[in-house]
Amino acid sequence: AQSVTQLGSHVSVSEGALVLLRCNYSSSVPPYLFWYVQYPNQGLQLLLKYTSAATLVKGINGFEAEFKKSETSFHLTKPSAHMSDAAEYFCAVSGGLTGGGNKLTFGTGTQLKVEL
Amino acid sequence: EAGVAQSPRYKIIEKRQSVAFWCNPISGHATLYWYQQILGQGPKLLIQFQNNGVVDDSQLPKDRFSAERLKGVDSTLKIQPAKLEDSAVYLCASSSGLESTQYFGPGTRLTVL
Repeated sequence: AQSVTQLGSHVSVSEGALVLLRCNYSSSVPPYLFWYVQYPNQGLQLLLKYTSAATLVKGINGFEAEFKKSETSFHLTKPSAHMSDAAEYFCAVSGGLTGGGNKLTFGTGTQLKVEL
Repeated sequence: EAGVAQSPRYKIIEKRQSVAFWCNPISGHATLYWYQQILGQGPKLLIQFQNNGVVDDSQLPKDRFSAERLKGVDSTLKIQPAKLEDSAVYLCASSSGLESTQYFGPGTRLTVL
């Protein structure tokens, strides 16, 4: 079984500041990990994914995340926030090649606010 | 390439009424998923199809929810009868295989009064 915990349901940063969104996972098998972004009234868009290759994963729009097995974490970062980054971000886990079925288990989401 | 299409985008019904949602996945994608996203929560998988067969429907409330993918392409999710707690966004996603990235549609926002 897999689960995801996202710390902080709301995060506020200034434009140009570092963005850090936290995600911790629990998995009984080697996980695949994902970050999705959701803009208002839209579906989810994949930002990046970890599938057991490089532990530092680069995604779209300048985001990246690092898989840390010892900490069971997959935090999302961006060096400099832009107003257009304001959205809700979801971390998700699946069982990958050994987990069967590609079923995604999502966290409860973090709403990112970017202020001038 | 065209993305995942869903309709309608919004639906308002009264409790005990029936409702159906439609999804057309990305062309060639064999795997199709329906998720329920309640306000303030992450999406929860309701059902997963591989072609026209069900892979996982363990979290589908089968007493009121049903889904089909008859020809292995588009899919319909039905709720009959609806309850207040069914108010949510229903997201459809598709992938090219069981281990592949899922691509999401815009969702259908259901309000049950």
